[in-house]
Amino acid sequence: EPEVTQTPSHQVTQMGQEVILRCVPISNHLYFYWYRQILGQKVEFLVSFYNNEISEKSEIFDDQFSVERPDGSNFTLKIRSTKLEDSAMYFCASSLDRDLGYTFGSGTRLTVV
Amino acid sequence: DAKTTQPNSMESNEEEPVHLPCNHSTISGTDYIHWYRQLPSQGPEYVIHGLTSNVNNRMASLAIAEDRKSSTLILHRATLRDAAVYYCIPNDMRFGAGTRLTVKP
Repeated sequence: EPEVTQTPSHQVTQMGQEVILRCVPISNHLYFYWYRQILGQKVEFLVSFYNNEISEKSEIFDDQFSVERPDGSNFTLKIRSTKLEDSAMYFCASSLDRDLGYTFGSGTRLTVV
Repeated sequence: DAKTTQPNSMESNEEEPVHLPCNHSTISGTDYIHWYRQLPSQGPEYVIHGLTSNVNNRMASLAIAEDRKSSTLILHRATLRDAAVYYCIPNDMRFGAGTRLTVKP
């Protein structure tokens, strides 16, 4: 069964450093999402992406965050200057159509120290 | 945004059916109702989705009320592996708190 692949599985970074979280969606999918989940809390929507542009973003997705689909296969989330409160699991999801089910990756655990 | 309401938690015995309810009274007429679950220490996993008709797949069944203001996810025979948080989500793909399902042996 096709999978959404996220790398790395765990990243530790110093506060103030830039991080790039990588996702390889399922190859023919067109709709992409990033979510985060702080330990013990709910899954929070960050951003949705379609047709090479952001469709929607939440209030969490401020100027420190950006997304790119640089080469038609990867889908990246960049955090420019990480803060301690950015420590969380980050999940990528993709779908062929917004009315169909989404496939989620296994997540990247980001730890900011 | 459509809002959903689910019980915080439910318990079931292993090998018994489980009915997980969701109220979505403000859902738009064209929004699908999606169900996902999150097993401990894993990412969300798609379970099932539907628009108006009841739906079945290998994981579960989805019963949608005629007025579309509520739906019920049905696990026909709960297993220990079904212990998870279950989320009912409209098309906007915003997760709420979900229902934590505990399955007792």
